[in-house]
Amino acid sequence: EVQLVQSGAEVKKPGESLKISCKGSGYSFRNYWIAWVRQMPGKGLEWMGIIYPGDSDTRYSPSFQGQVTISADQSISTAYLQWTSLKASDTAMYYCARRGEHSSSCFDYWGQGSLVTVSS
Amino acid sequence: EIVMTQSPATLSVSPGERATFSCRASQSVSSNLAWYQQKPGQAPRLLIYGASTRATGVPARFSGSGSGTEFTLTISSLRSEDFAVYYCQHFNNWPLMYTFGQGTKLEI
Repeated sequence: EVQLVQSGAEVKKPGESLKISCKGSGYSFRNYWIAWVRQMPGKGLEWMGIIYPGDSDTRYSPSFQGQVTISADQSISTAYLQWTSLKASDTAMYYCARRGEHSSSCFDYWGQGSLVTVSS
Repeated sequence: EIVMTQSPATLSVSPGERATFSCRASQSVSSNLAWYQQKPGQAPRLLIYGASTRATGVPARFSGSGSGTEFTLTISSLRSEDFAVYYCQHFNNWPLMYTFGQGTKLEI
């Protein structure tokens, strides 16, 4: 069974750093792109970027380029989303999602989400 | 940048009735269009990809159609568990980009 299991909720202060994780199982992790998607409170879905764990090829949405870093460690089947200096506006639910097996144009499996709260 | 516009923002329908969701692209996106369902407190769930192909395990009452700039998701006979927010999503291969619509809330 394909599963993406994300790290737990985080409460941070502005200016702090953070790295959240997404562990894949039930499939060949290195061979499927993993994306990160933001959902701000009460809002819609925003694609942040995507990584191919096999070679760490990474692409970012222009809206998030330079704001976050996406990485992966294929040896432990885990992808990461990282901030060096959080802002209150980073408060959101963050989902990881696997690019589709039957189509590269969609995401077929999603993590349960990691809630990040940034508040002083 | 391609913009995906969903309408209406909220759709009020009764169980057993048909629900139709619209998604319009600002320029042609071929058939690179997916639909997702998101229930409160849950991650999105893939329903349709390639504009009209149901994802694994998705009931036959869900169907997708369209190409180019106009797309439709139809739920033929609503069940109580279908009340959720529905998003369309476009994929562009170069530059690599995934764009979601703003969502349509389906309510009773």
